[in-house]
Amino acid sequence: QKEVEQDPGPLSVPEGAIVSLNCTYSNSAFQYFMWYRQYSRKGPELLMYTYSSGNKEDGRFTAQVDKSSKYISLFIRDSQPSDSATYLCAMIPPRGSASKIIFGSGTRLSIRP
Amino acid sequence: DTEVTQTPKHLVMGMTNKKSLKCEQHMGHRAMYWYKQKAKKPPELMFVYSYEKLSINESVPSRFSPECPNSSLLNLHLHALQPEDSALYLCASSQETGPYGYTFGSGTRLTVV
Repeated sequence: QKEVEQDPGPLSVPEGAIVSLNCTYSNSAFQYFMWYRQYSRKGPELLMYTYSSGNKEDGRFTAQVDKSSKYISLFIRDSQPSDSATYLCAMIPPRGSASKIIFGSGTRLSIRP
Repeated sequence: DTEVTQTPKHLVMGMTNKKSLKCEQHMGHRAMYWYKQKAKKPPELMFVYSYEKLSINESVPSRFSPECPNSSLLNLHLHALQPEDSALYLCASSQETGPYGYTFGSGTRLTVV
C-alpha cells in the first residue's frame, strides 16, 4: 500500500463548477499537508499548507484535513479554465523534515470553457 | 524575490557529453533540493543540501554530481547519461529542512540522445 494515494484522473468539469480533489494516507502520524499545482512543463507551485485538522480557505481554494479518516481534500470554487493543471497533494512524515516530503501521484484537472 | 531560477530551460545532450544544470534562489532559504520528474509522475527526490552541505543522496547514480557553491546556488553536473535519464529536473528550496513547503523552479527539461 502506498503511503499516499491520489486518483490520477483525468478529471474534466465545466467552467464554474466546484471541484473536489482528494488524497488518502496510511500513516496517522503525518502532521503537515500541502497542495501543489503544476502546469504543463512547469515546476509545482505551493497552493495551500495546513497543519491541523479542519478547513483553511484562500480565495477560491479550500483545503480540508480529516485526520480521523486520514483524508485530505482541496476544493476549488467557481473553477476557471486557468485552473486546468495537475494537482499534487503532499505530506511531511513524522519528525517533520521537508526533505522527506511524500507526494501523491497527482490528479490531472481540465476545466471546460 | 520569491523565485527559484533554473537554467537552462531545455537541454539536449549526447551520452558522452558533460553538462551542468544551474539553480539560484535569493530568498535566504538554507535547504535546497534536486528532484527528477518523469511524465505523469510525481517528483522524485535526488539530493538535499542543508546549509551548503549534502545531507541526503537518494542512491542516485554517480553520473549525477551535485554541487552547492554557496547558499544561493545549486548545480547538478551531468556526465555519461543514459536515454532513460531524460526527464524534467526540478530544483527547490525551503526555509530549512523542517516542516516547510518548497518553492520549486520551473525545471530543466533534459533529453539524452
